[in-house]
Amino acid sequence: QVQLVESGGGLVKPGGSLRLSCEASGFTFSDHQMSWSRQAPGQGLEWISYTSYSDNTIYYADSVRGRFTISRDNAKNLVYLQMNSLRAEDTAVYYCARGARPNYWGQGTLVTVSS
Amino acid sequence: DVVVTQTPLSLSVTPGQPASISCKSSQSLLHSDGKTSLFWYLQKPGQSPQLLIYDLSSRFSGVPDRFSGSGSGTDFTLKISRVEAEDVGVYYCMQGIHLPYTFGQGTKLEI
Repeated sequence: QVQLVESGGGLVKPGGSLRLSCEASGFTFSDHQMSWSRQAPGQGLEWISYTSYSDNTIYYADSVRGRFTISRDNAKNLVYLQMNSLRAEDTAVYYCARGARPNYWGQGTLVTVSS
Repeated sequence: DVVVTQTPLSLSVTPGQPASISCKSSQSLLHSDGKTSLFWYLQKPGQSPQLLIYDLSSRFSGVPDRFSGSGSGTDFTLKISRVEAEDVGVYYCMQGIHLPYTFGQGTKLEI
């Protein structure tokens, strides 16, 4: 069955960096676009980025463009989200998902940006 | 960005009764291929979201047939024919045609 497992979340100071990873299994990873969404505490969902099958096409929401970088390693079935210049408003649970329009979601990893 | 607006924001339903959630987008979600790129998700308490409906009205794998999606253009509806206790949670619609894709605010369904 499809499984997506995020890791790499934690507490980071404003201005700091963090790299999230998402390991996929149960499907042919290279056949699918992948995306990241996030959910601030007690808030709704925000779609933030996607990558095509081989990183040829990438898109970012304005809220993270220039600070976050999505990438993937098809040999390792991994998708990453490099987050730089983090702000308090980036505090959220970050979900990776299969598809630019998500169909399967991981369990999420919490990122807390606080001094 | 396309604005997606859901109503109501909360809903209390008796088991066995129907429920309906409305979703409106600020732009048409009709693709040139004839499909309407509107998705419905359910986030059960303490869980990650799960896909219920894609392309306006197609049920995702394993989704019970009491869930149905309908609408056109900019106005959409999710209907649950007979609510069950396991249906509690927050329902989100998402438009998947205009980047960045955007979610509605969510509708909390309680029993």
